[in-house]
Amino acid sequence: AQSVTQLDSQVPVFEEAPVELRCNYSSSVSVYLFWYVQYPNQGLQLLLKYLSGSTLVKGINGFEAEFNKSQTSFHLRKPSVHISDTAEYFCAVSDRGTYKYIFGTGTRLKVLA
Amino acid sequence: NAGVMQNPRHLVRRRGQEARLRCSPMKGHSHVYWYRQLPEEGLKFMVYLQKENIIDESGMPKERFSAEFPKEGPSILRIQQVVRGDSAAYFCASSRGEDEQFFGPGTRLTVL
Repeated sequence: AQSVTQLDSQVPVFEEAPVELRCNYSSSVSVYLFWYVQYPNQGLQLLLKYLSGSTLVKGINGFEAEFNKSQTSFHLRKPSVHISDTAEYFCAVSDRGTYKYIFGTGTRLKVLA
Repeated sequence: NAGVMQNPRHLVRRRGQEARLRCSPMKGHSHVYWYRQLPEEGLKFMVYLQKENIIDESGMPKERFSAEFPKEGPSILRIQQVVRGDSAAYFCASSRGEDEQFFGPGTRLTVL
């Protein structure tokens, strides 16, 4: 069964520094990949998604992610973070052709002044 | 272009009461999914419904939980005789087919 691993539960980073949030999934079959952001007591907002095509995906708020099939990874990056990026970030995977999204446990990004 | 609507946004119940959570999918979407987010955890799939049909309820607890998506009206997730462990955020998502899902803002259930 598909599973998603977000190894870092918390990532502190200083403002304007780069950040990478890691996501690995278990199965190498064709997948759809997603990153969501969740601000405190709010819903999920889609940051970016990989469905097919270019392996480098650009999303909102300056985030991007790269799909690496051989390493079954979909790490999220931002070259320069802002205080407002402080939130929880979830990686999700679904096997292509299925409907069930499998979520990671989340990474709490804390941007420090 | 309204997104997925959920209400109430916050719900407080005492142990033993019933909780009803409602989800209105996006216009044109006939597929609805419910997920639960326990504190400090990611979202876990509960149930997938199409109009008047439960397609997959493999993530639903065996007792006290039920879901429906009637021909008219919103989808309802019903929790009978709530316990403290049911306190969580419940998210609904909808899709046009079995493709990209769009998530609602969630209902935060607190059981006292």
